Amino acid sequence: KNEVEQSPQNLTAQEGEFITINCSYSVGISALHWLQQHPGGGIVSLFMLSSGKKKHGRLIATINIQEKHSSLHITASHPRDSAVYICAVGPHLISNFGNEKLTFGTGTRLTIIP
Amino acid sequence: GAVVSQHPSRVICKSGTSVKIECRSLDFQATTMFWYRQFPKQSLMLMATSNEGSKATYEQGVEKDKFLINHASLTLSTLTVTSAHPEDSSFYICSARDSTSGELFFGEGSRLTVL
Repeated sequence: KNEVEQSPQNLTAQEGEFITINCSYSVGISALHWLQQHPGGGIVSLFMLSSGKKKHGRLIATINIQEKHSSLHITASHPRDSAVYICAVGPHLISNFGNEKLTFGTGTRLTIIP
Repeated sequence: GAVVSQHPSRVICKSGTSVKIECRSLDFQATTMFWYRQFPKQSLMLMATSNEGSKATYEQGVEKDKFLINHASLTLSTLTVTSAHPEDSSFYICSARDSTSGELFFGEGSRLTVL
C-alpha cells in the first residue's frame, strides 16, 4: 500500500462542474502539498497545508490531520484546469526548514471538457 | 512571485556524452534544493537533496558518480548526467526551498532524451 494515495486516478468533467480530488496518507506528517503539473511537465505548487483550510481563487484545499485526509476542490471548473494534480506529504516541521523529503501520490489526471 | 528556473527545458544528446541541467532560484535564496526524476505517467521520485556548500545527499539506488550535483551558490544547483545512456532519458525536475519562508517551489522540468 502506498504511503500516499489519491482518488480518483482519472477524472473527466464538464466545464463548470465542482471538482473534488482526495488524498489519504498513512505516515505522520506536518505538512501536505497540493501540486499541479501541466501537460508540458512544469509543476506549480498550489497549497501547503498543515491544518484547516486554504482558499486561492477557485481552489480550496482542506486537511484533516486526525483522519489523515486532504481534499482539493475546484469550483466552476474550466478547461484550463486540465492537468495532473499531485498530493505530497512531508515528515518534517516546516519551521525546521529541514531537508524535507516529500512523499508523492501518483496523481489525479483531470480533464475538463468545454 | 518566486520562480525556479530550469535550463535547458529540453535536451537531446548522444549516448556517452554528459549533460548539465541548471536549477536557479530567481528571487529568493535556497540553501536546499531537491532533484527529482519522473518517468511517463508516474509520480516524482526524489533522486537527491542538494545542500549549498556541502555534498548532496543521494537516495538509495541513485548513483552519485552518475548524477553529479553541485550547489555552489544560494541560487544555483546543477545536475550533471555523466556518460548518458538511453535509459537515462527521463524528465528531471528540481525544487528549491526558500531559506527565509520555508516555502517550496518547483522548476518547469528538463526533458532529457539520450539517443
